[in-house]
Amino acid sequence: ETGVTQTPRHLVMGMTNKKSLKCEQHLGHNAMYWYKQSAKKPLELMFVYNFKEQTENNSVPSRFSPECPNSSHLFLHLHTLQPEDSALYLCASSQGSGAGDTDTQYFGPGTRLTVL
Amino acid sequence: DAKTTQPNSMESNEEEPVHLPCNHSTISGTDYIHWYRQLPSQGPEYVIHGLTSNVNNRMASLAIAEDRKSSTLILHRATLRDAAVYYCILRDRRDSSYKLIFGSGTRLLVRP
Repeated sequence: ETGVTQTPRHLVMGMTNKKSLKCEQHLGHNAMYWYKQSAKKPLELMFVYNFKEQTENNSVPSRFSPECPNSSHLFLHLHTLQPEDSALYLCASSQGSGAGDTDTQYFGPGTRLTVL
Repeated sequence: DAKTTQPNSMESNEEEPVHLPCNHSTISGTDYIHWYRQLPSQGPEYVIHGLTSNVNNRMASLAIAEDRKSSTLILHRATLRDAAVYYCILRDRRDSSYKLIFGSGTRLLVRP
């Protein structure tokens, strides 16, 4: 596998369920990101990790819990979500520190989440 | 963060050049101009970036105004596969968080 992969690609869950989204990058990058893309809204940055340490939390509700066990894997744990959390969740990675003045992000295909 | 302004949508004919404008009148001297695009049902992908000089790569060209208050992404020959939402993003070279702040972008429609 190459690039950034995300599983599952589609997920339907009830408001009382607990589920997790998985992201894996095969690019040797040090930084990983979670974005949310709701219908008719711009991509919203949720979390940023650099070298497994969270460096950005964009005021995300606690029902979204990220985990970065190593530089290649990123999870988003979901619990007691609301219907308005239905969206496309995108993962990205980049070289991060050491990339110089610019740092290109590589995105996965996303997980389409529907909360009933 | 400095803001960008892009038209909501543009149309082009296949195999014709496309010029996608972006205004960023509050750009600072340390802001890089990045362009990403998002094809239908996919995550965004990097297109090109620049600071002051015009840039070319295999996907596109980036023309930056002399005062840097605007830029134009140029697709030299649009194909149906270029139909996507194009995002113009400023990022401060001093920002160690590496984050990208996306706006609404320009939806490009390509007519066969």
